[in-house]
Order: sequence, then C-alpha cells, then structure tokens
Amino acid sequence: GAGVSQSPRYKVTKRGQDVALRCDPISGHVSLYWYRQALGQGPEFLTYFNYEAQQDKSGLPNDRFSAERPEGSISTLTIQRTEQRDSAMYRCASSLTPGQGTDTQYFGPGTRLTVL
Amino acid sequence: AQKITQTQPGMFVQEKEAVTLDCTYDTSDPSYGLFWYKQPSSGEMIFLIYQGSYDQQNATEGRYSLNFQKARKSANLVISASQLGDSAMYFCAMRGVNQGGKLIFGQGTELSVKP
Repeated sequence: GAGVSQSPRYKVTKRGQDVALRCDPISGHVSLYWYRQALGQGPEFLTYFNYEAQQDKSGLPNDRFSAERPEGSISTLTIQRTEQRDSAMYRCASSLTPGQGTDTQYFGPGTRLTVL
Repeated sequence: AQKITQTQPGMFVQEKEAVTLDCTYDTSDPSYGLFWYKQPSSGEMIFLIYQGSYDQQNATEGRYSLNFQKARKSANLVISASQLGDSAMYFCAMRGVNQGGKLIFGQGTELSVKP
C-alpha cells in the first residue's frame, strides 16, 4: 500500500508568514508523529497523536507551533509568524498501534521548510 | 534521561566487506525498543531493523543484524557484504516504554562504501 505522504515537499516562505504542513499517514495507522530535523542532525520529536487525540506536545518549541488531526487521519502542523530559525526538514511518521514501545514508525519524505 | 550516542560521524568500508556502526544508549525505562534507520542522499528515512530490550536473540533482517549487548547498553548495527547502495546516513533510535510515542535519535553515522 501507499506509504506516508507529506505536502508540500518544499516550502519557501518569508519571515512572519504562517505555514501549514500536511501529513497523510499509512492507511489504518492509529498513531501519527511529527519530528523536525536540522541539517546533519537526527530528527527531534515535536508531537504525536493517537487517533485524533494529541497525546504529547512536549517537543513543540513554542506556542507558534500547533498540530491537529481532527478526524484521526490527516494531520496538519502549523507554524505561525515563521522565523528563520524554523527552517528545517519537518518529518511525519505513522505507526499501526498506539503508544507501543515495539511499534515501528514509518516516515514520510518530509517537507523542507526555508524561511527567508 | 533518554540518550542515544553515535560516536562515528563518518565511516568508510570497501564494497563486499562487513561494517559495524556503533550505538550506545542510556535510559531508565524498564523496557524499550531500539531502531535503526537509513537516510540516503534522497532524504527518505527508511526503517531497517528493530530490537526489543527483552528479546533473547539479536535481530536480523537480510544483510542487517543488530549486535545487542544490554549490559553494555549498546545496539550496534552490522551490515554484511556492503553494497554501493548502502552509502547513506544511519540513525540509531530508542523508544522507552514510559516515553509514549517519542523516538529519541542519535546524531547519525555517514557510511561511504568504496568500490
């Protein structure tokens, strides 16, 4: 079946603009995760959902960042009033079962965000 | 605190040789999972192999195996018979039972396979 998809793949925006990044998980996957990856670094956790419920948002850097998954499928990560330091690869992942330590997370291709 | 350490920023291996990528971890969770992902230059994150902390045997997936030494808190990835297509960044990651869904990643090791 289809893997995790993300759109747009590339986003260039000006400082101060809002951006919305979309993630479509693998069909039937209950859990959805957002990570941010700086160049040359490993991904860092932002937030995750089981179904439509946001379980943990401890990794969101500040209140300009928010995420939702209203129907338990597609998720949107929104960054308001973007700043240059927000430039990074934003990755989405999904897993089949909720919150299990053994459950593998499958990643999407990412959205490369550049804030000018 | 949860932490993953990959001490090899870059490694070279000759085609058809085996290579070991190091990973050590620190956690206070009673059980946890360890994962390896491959990130080629195209930027995808590809899942390779998983090891559970209570698994009795080391995980294997084709040419990938995980040398899990729980007492030493290490989970090294072994790639046998390296191929040119193995050239990529490799990330070790951990998910503790008390950490919800959070995966903690190491800094990565860049592997280059020489013909």
